[in-house]
Amino acid sequence: DIQMTQSPASLSASLGETVTIECRASEDIYNGLAWYQQKPGKSPQLLIYNANSLHTGVPSRFSGSGSGTQYSLKINSLQSEDVASYFCQQYYDYPTFGGGTKLELK
Amino acid sequence: QVTLKESGPGILQPSQTLSLTCSFSGFSLSTYGMCVGWIRQSSGKGLEWLANIWWNDDKYYNPSLKNRLTISKDTSNNQAFLKITNMDTADTATYYCARSDRTGFDYWGQGVMVTVSS
Repeated sequence: DIQMTQSPASLSASLGETVTIECRASEDIYNGLAWYQQKPGKSPQLLIYNANSLHTGVPSRFSGSGSGTQYSLKINSLQSEDVASYFCQQYYDYPTFGGGTKLELK
Repeated sequence: QVTLKESGPGILQPSQTLSLTCSFSGFSLSTYGMCVGWIRQSSGKGLEWLANIWWNDDKYYNPSLKNRLTISKDTSNNQAFLKITNMDTADTATYYCARSDRTGFDYWGQGVMVTVSS
């Protein structure tokens, strides 16, 4: 199975700051990658699919990039409503998720 | 508007079989390329994919749990189902169903909490 290693596990940032979360796959996943946001007590919400495509209704301050085994999620101009946990997921093979990144406000 | 909602027993004893239902609207599981998957999340932990069922009735299971899982669907009633046999305390989690069109899970249910306890 394809292992997804996500970093950092936790992150503290200030309002307006740019934040980057990384995800590394154990083998090439050919851009078969999604990013999710999960707020406490809620279900995950799709942000990005195909590594860099923005899901409907997701603010443009979210963006995804990467290729091969290395991918990243960037949040520009951090807002208070962005405080959440973020997960990557590959779907090139049977789905596996990264361990998550908990984003808090500094 | 796409919605999904999970239902299940809430609590069960070790060794029992868990039966979950996903009732959905806003799409059809008979549409080409459509899929419903089940994912679980233990308290404060990460996400674990369990199984997918596709519009053509293809089924895929997490290899680590494959022997215990059965996924099925009722297309005419817009429902998908998951059975997990031989439940253990380690299976205590929130169970989600979610829609996929082969590019990640784009709509999720609210989740149903399942506790395994004697």
